[in-house]
Amino acid sequence: EDQVTQSPEALRLQEGESSSLNCSYTVSGLRGLFWYRQDPGKGPEFLFTLYSAGEEKEKERLKATLTKKESFLHITAPKPEDSATYLCAVQILGGYQKVTFGTGTKLQVIP
Amino acid sequence: SAVISQKPSRDICQRGTSLTIQCQVDSQVTMMFWYRQQPGQSLTLIATANQGSEATYESGFVIDKFPISRPNLTFSTLTVSNMSPEDSSIYLCSVVVPENIQYFGAGTRLSVL
Repeated sequence: EDQVTQSPEALRLQEGESSSLNCSYTVSGLRGLFWYRQDPGKGPEFLFTLYSAGEEKEKERLKATLTKKESFLHITAPKPEDSATYLCAVQILGGYQKVTFGTGTKLQVIP
Repeated sequence: SAVISQKPSRDICQRGTSLTIQCQVDSQVTMMFWYRQQPGQSLTLIATANQGSEATYESGFVIDKFPISRPNLTFSTLTVSNMSPEDSSIYLCSVVVPENIQYFGAGTRLSVL
């Protein structure tokens, strides 16, 4: 069975304190891995797609990386506006466009 | 990208009644997805809706409880039938654009009394 596990469940950072969020996956065959941000009361907002091990994507203070077993979302010098829940999701080969979501990491950045 | 509108944004319903949630997208898409997000939890896929065919339901979800319509390439509805308090949740629709990116609506917050 395909599984996606995110850690930690919650993370509290001081403004400017860099850290990483982890997404571990066990799937029959990975087609793609996605990172989303979700603010309270809103739907998930797309951040990145990664397709192959070694691939990296960056956007402002965020950088996503992918290995054969996990993905990391690195947050450099976070600001309070980066506070949100970060979700990763995997899309498997042969599963058309369906994705399976992890449980998320709730990030709080304190001024 | 895609812009998705969901209606209603929230509702409070009585046990035993049904609620239909509408999802409108600003471009034609092949696949639309319906998710449930229970309080403090991640997203669980309910079903996939293709235009012109029956929806495909995930394990644990049945058509009698969550009937779905997909009359055209820009619109879909999800009905939550014979509701109980356990159905209190956020319901989200999403679409996939050709770039293989999934976009979400803002969700419908449902409370069942």
